[in-house]
Amino acid sequence: DAGVTQSPTHLIKTRGQHVTLRCSPISGHKSVSWYQQVLGQGPQFIFQYYEKEERGRGNFPDRFSARQFPNYSSELNVNALLLGDSALYLCASSLDRGGGYTFGSGTRLTVV
Amino acid sequence: AQSVTQPDIHITVSEGASLELRCNYSYGATPYLFWYVQSPGQGLQLLLKYFSGDTLVQGIKGFEAEFKRSQSSFNLRKPSVHWSDAAEYFCAVGERTNDYKLSFGAGTTVTVRA
Repeated sequence: DAGVTQSPTHLIKTRGQHVTLRCSPISGHKSVSWYQQVLGQGPQFIFQYYEKEERGRGNFPDRFSARQFPNYSSELNVNALLLGDSALYLCASSLDRGGGYTFGSGTRLTVV
Repeated sequence: AQSVTQPDIHITVSEGASLELRCNYSYGATPYLFWYVQSPGQGLQLLLKYFSGDTLVQGIKGFEAEFKRSQSSFNLRKPSVHWSDAAEYFCAVGERTNDYKLSFGAGTTVTVRA
């Protein structure tokens, strides 16, 4: 079975640009969460979606937004990129609103 | 708000020796607790989780963890370490009342020497 897939795996953006990261959850998983992991730190919660509704939002500015589609895949959008947005962005899915999350391999974003 | 502390930033252990990684949490209610492992450049792999019941939890790759409510701890152990266990380990607490949003510790890097 395919795990959580994220695309792209790496990308480089310039300050001020916007970026869209994509995530496909494990088949049948209805809950998707996004995390930001800055080098040397633990992941920080950004968003959680369940059944296409936002269920939780972490302490991130409004430049960060996300959505979940009818097939439960998800996008994370970041506008007006800053150097500090450089990080590994992880997507995780779960069968329901609780339980252990399965993480993807992440998207490495570098802002220059 | 909940928080997780992993007191050890880096641990070096000899292959075949035992390993214990410490995790302390702060949470106002009964927590959901997790241990994840991350190899360089990779995502997170779930080692084990505690939701309720037996406080000694068995996981994959020979790892186990013990939930001690009185000490607010969830330490991870492995009796005999293999070179492939070299990685970064993260402890996380999930909020039962917030759709189980995970809060992670800063991680412990494990180096295995031959």
